[in-house]
Amino acid sequence: QQQVKQSPQSLIVQKGGISIINCAYENTAFDYFPWYQQFPGKGPALLIAIRPDVSEKKEGRFTISFNKSAKQFSLHIMDSQPGDSATYFCAASLTGGFKTIFGAGTRLFVKA
Amino acid sequence: EAGVAQSPRYKIIEKRQSVAFWCNPISGHATLYWYQQILGQGPKLLIQFQNNGVVDDSQLPKDRFSAERLKGVDSTLKIQPAKLEDSAVYLCASEGLRYEQYFGPGTRLTVT
Repeated sequence: QQQVKQSPQSLIVQKGGISIINCAYENTAFDYFPWYQQFPGKGPALLIAIRPDVSEKKEGRFTISFNKSAKQFSLHIMDSQPGDSATYFCAASLTGGFKTIFGAGTRLFVKA
Repeated sequence: EAGVAQSPRYKIIEKRQSVAFWCNPISGHATLYWYQQILGQGPKLLIQFQNNGVVDDSQLPKDRFSAERLKGVDSTLKIQPAKLEDSAVYLCASEGLRYEQYFGPGTRLTVT
C-alpha cells in the first residue's frame, strides 16, 4: 500500500513563529507534491506545489523544502498568523494527478 | 471564474438506502476527481475521469459505488446500498492546466 506519512498530527505555534509540517512518501515514481489548506466546512485549497527537480520553492510566507534522496518534503509557514489556523494536507501523485495520495493532515493552531 | 459546484451540501439517509451526489467542475477542466474524506482523515481518491472516460477507479468500491461523467462535464457519484461506514464528506475536484486541483465544498453524508 503506497502511503504518504504526515507529521505532526497537531501543532500549536505563537503568532509570528514558524510552522513546520513534514511528509514522507514511498513511491519514487511520484513527481508532483502539493500542499493543501482546509478550513472547517470547506474543501481543500491548493497552497503551493513542487516537482522533484527542485529542492525548494517559495511563495510568499509558504516554502516547500524537498529532499528526493530521503523521500521527504516539508511545508514551512513563516510569520504564522491566527488566520493560518487550519488543517494542512500534503499529497503526492504521478503526473497529472494520477494516483493522488493525501497525508492524514496536521491541525495547526496559531496563538495570538 | 466560478468554482467547483457540488450538491447537495448535506444528506442524511438510512443504511441500505441509495444516494447520489452531483458535481459541476470549473469550465474547461477535462479532468475530474471524486474523493471520500472521513472525519479526521485526508481525502481518499475514489475515481478519476479524463473527459468522459475513467482513468483510475482502483479504489472505488464497485459493489456499491458507481460514478459517471456523461458528456465530459458534470459528474454524479452514487452509493447503493449505503453502509454506516460510508458516512463521510464526498469531495469533487477538477484539474487545471498545471495539474493543480480545485476542490468543491463537498457533500457531507450521514448514514444512520
